Amino acid sequence: AQRVTQPEKLLSVFKGAPVELKCNYSYSGSPELFWYVQYSRQRLQLLLRHISRESIKGFTADLNKGETSFHLKKPFAQEEDSAMYYCALKGRGSTLGRLYFGRGTQLTVWP
Amino acid sequence: DTEVTQTPKHLVMGMTNKKSLKCEQHMGHRAMYWYKQKAKKPPELMFVYSYEKLSINESVPSRFSPECPNSSLLNLHLHALQPEDSALYLCASSQLYREVTEAFFGQGTRLTVV
Repeated sequence: AQRVTQPEKLLSVFKGAPVELKCNYSYSGSPELFWYVQYSRQRLQLLLRHISRESIKGFTADLNKGETSFHLKKPFAQEEDSAMYYCALKGRGSTLGRLYFGRGTQLTVWP
Repeated sequence: DTEVTQTPKHLVMGMTNKKSLKCEQHMGHRAMYWYKQKAKKPPELMFVYSYEKLSINESVPSRFSPECPNSSLLNLHLHALQPEDSALYLCASSQLYREVTEAFFGQGTRLTVV
């Protein structure tokens, strides 16, 4: 069964500190994983997709199939990074068209 | 234009009312979605349309009735809702729902049922 786990509901760091938001998944086959961000009162928007191996707003995420993880990292957090972050897994086969979201991690970056 | 536009932004309705939520995109996307999001929770999929045909209905109660009049528009008709249906309703679109792609989300309609 497809499942995404974000173990931390809340995460707080100080500005300039490194941040890592954890995401683990359960999926048989090659997963397609995404990170979405939702700033306060703004639309949910795509931050990263693993196939692109890109860095957006200083964030990177590497797929580790051995550990079934897709953690989101940033070396130096900024106050404007404070938001809700969702890890998501795209369904395949009989679950095409579905995005399986984790419960989300609320990141707060203190000044 | 890379936006998904939802109207209205806010809606308050009584349990006996009939109302509709609207969603529009002009990116040429052929898959459109309705999600329901409660506060501090992830979005929950309700419906998926592909090429204007309903592809997925996640066992949503019949008081929610989706409609896709054309490839750019998606409606959600509401009738006889309950207070627990109060939530943020998100529309999204993607190029195709069968391929690797990202979904663009609208800003949502914040619905309150009184």
